[in-house]
Amino acid sequence: QSALTQPRSVSGSPGQSVTISCTGTSSDVGRYNYVSWYKHPPGKAPKLMIFDVNQRPSGVPDRFSGSKSGNTASLTISGLQAEDEADYYCCSYASTSSYVFGTGTEVTVL
Amino acid sequence: QVQLQESGPGLVMPSGTLSLTCGVSGGSIISNNWWSWFRQSPGEGLDWIGEIHHSGRSAYNPSLKSRVSISLDKSKNQFFLNLNSVTAADTAMYYCASNGVGGHWFAPWGQGTLVTVSS
Repeated sequence: QSALTQPRSVSGSPGQSVTISCTGTSSDVGRYNYVSWYKHPPGKAPKLMIFDVNQRPSGVPDRFSGSKSGNTASLTISGLQAEDEADYYCCSYASTSSYVFGTGTEVTVL
Repeated sequence: QVQLQESGPGLVMPSGTLSLTCGVSGGSIISNNWWSWFRQSPGEGLDWIGEIHHSGRSAYNPSLKSRVSISLDKSKNQFFLNLNSVTAADTAMYYCASNGVGGHWFAPWGQGTLVTVSS
C-alpha cells in the first residue's frame, strides 16, 4: 500500500487559514470515514487532532477542522498561531485491514 | 490519564532482532481494545507497524508481516514489539500508542525511542 499524498509544506501568516490535503485511493480514504490527523512537533510525541474525518478530540481548539471529498481528505487550520508550527500527518484505515499514513506536511507560520 | 513509554536497546546488530517494550501507566492494558506500534525513519513519514488486542489477537502492516510480532503481558501492563532480520533500513524512531476505543485513531502516544541498526 502506498503512502497518502500530502503537500510537502504550507505556510501562512498569523490569523490566516491554511488547508492541508491528503489524497489516497478508493481502498483507503475513499472507502472509509476513518481519516485521522496528527500534529507532530520535532522531538515530541504525535498528537491526535482530528478523527473520523471531522471529529475533534476534547482539548483540541475548534480552529482545527477536517473534511473529506472522494479520495481526498483535508485539514484546515483557521486563525493560524505560532504554536501550530509542526509536521502534520493524515492517516486512513485501509481495505488491507491496516493503516496508511500520509507523506507529511510542514506547517510554517510566517 | 493513560501514558505510554517505550524502552529497549538503542543499537541492534544487522540481521538481529529488534525488541521493544511499551509500558502503560494510568490505566489497564485490558481497558482499551487495541494497542499499536509505529516507526518513523530519518527524514521519512510515520508508518504503522501493527496492533494487538488485549485478547491476544494481532494485525500487521503487510509490508512487515513476515518479520514482525507483537505480544502483550497483562500482568505487567506492557506490550512488546519484535522485528527480526533487521537491516539499516529499520533504523528509526519507534513509537507506541493506544488505539481509540472502538475507533480507528491513535491517542495518546509515547515519546518514542530511537533504534539504530549498525555493526
